Amino acid sequence: DIQMTQSPSSLSASVGDRVTITCRASQSTGSYLNWYQQKPGKAPKLLIYAASSLQTGVPSSFSGSGSGTDFTLTISSLQPEDSATYYCQQTYSTPWTFGQGTKVEIK
Amino acid sequence: QVQLMESGGGVVQPGGSLKLSCEPSGFTFSSYGMHWVRQAPGKGLEWVAFIRYDGTNKYYADSVKGRFTISRDNSKSTLFLQMVSLRAEDTAVYYCARQGSGWTYDAFDIWGQGTLVTVSS
Repeated sequence: DIQMTQSPSSLSASVGDRVTITCRASQSTGSYLNWYQQKPGKAPKLLIYAASSLQTGVPSSFSGSGSGTDFTLTISSLQPEDSATYYCQQTYSTPWTFGQGTKVEIK
Repeated sequence: QVQLMESGGGVVQPGGSLKLSCEPSGFTFSSYGMHWVRQAPGKGLEWVAFIRYDGTNKYYADSVKGRFTISRDNSKSTLFLQMVSLRAEDTAVYYCARQGSGWTYDAFDIWGQGTLVTVSS
C-alpha cells in the first residue's frame, strides 16, 4: 500500500497569508495526486486533481504542484472561508489512500 | 445539478448487518466508477470499496474485505454497500463518491452528504 504523509498536521495563519501544505508518498504516484477540502459536518470537496489541475469552480488562490513522491498545496492568500481540513490522496494504485489531513485555522 | 444522496445508515448491534444506498442525479450513473469512503468520528478519510462502471471489477480495503459487498444496479441508477458482521470500529459517516473521468486521473469528483452508521450495543 502507498502511505501518504501530510505536514503539518495543523497550522494557524492570518488572513492574506500564503499557506503551504506538503504531502509525501511512500512510493511514486506519478501525477496521480489529488487534494480535497473538508469543512466540519460537510463532505469533502475536490480542489486539485492530477497534482496541479484546478477543479472547476475552485478559486485560483489554490494551486498544486509536484510529481513522484513530493507534492504541495498552496493557498496564495488565505481567506476566512478557507478554514477547513485538507487531505491529499493518491489514485495511482489500489488501495486508494489519503493523507491524515491538515487542519487550517485562521488566527 | 450533479449530486449523490446516501441513505440507509443507522444504529446496529455488533455482529449485525446494514445496507447503504446511494442515488445519483444530474449525470449518467452507468458511465462512472463509484466508491464508498468512510470517516470515523473525529478521524480522517478511509477508502472502503470501488466498483467499475459496469460492475465487472470490485476492490475492497483490507479492513472490510469479506464483510462488505459493493454492488450497483445501473437500471435503477443505485449504488449499494452491504455490510455484515459489523464491528464497533465500523462506526463512521459513509460517503459515496464518483470516480471522475480518466482526464481527472481518477479523482473523486462528486461526493454525497454522507450517512452515519453507528455500531453499538
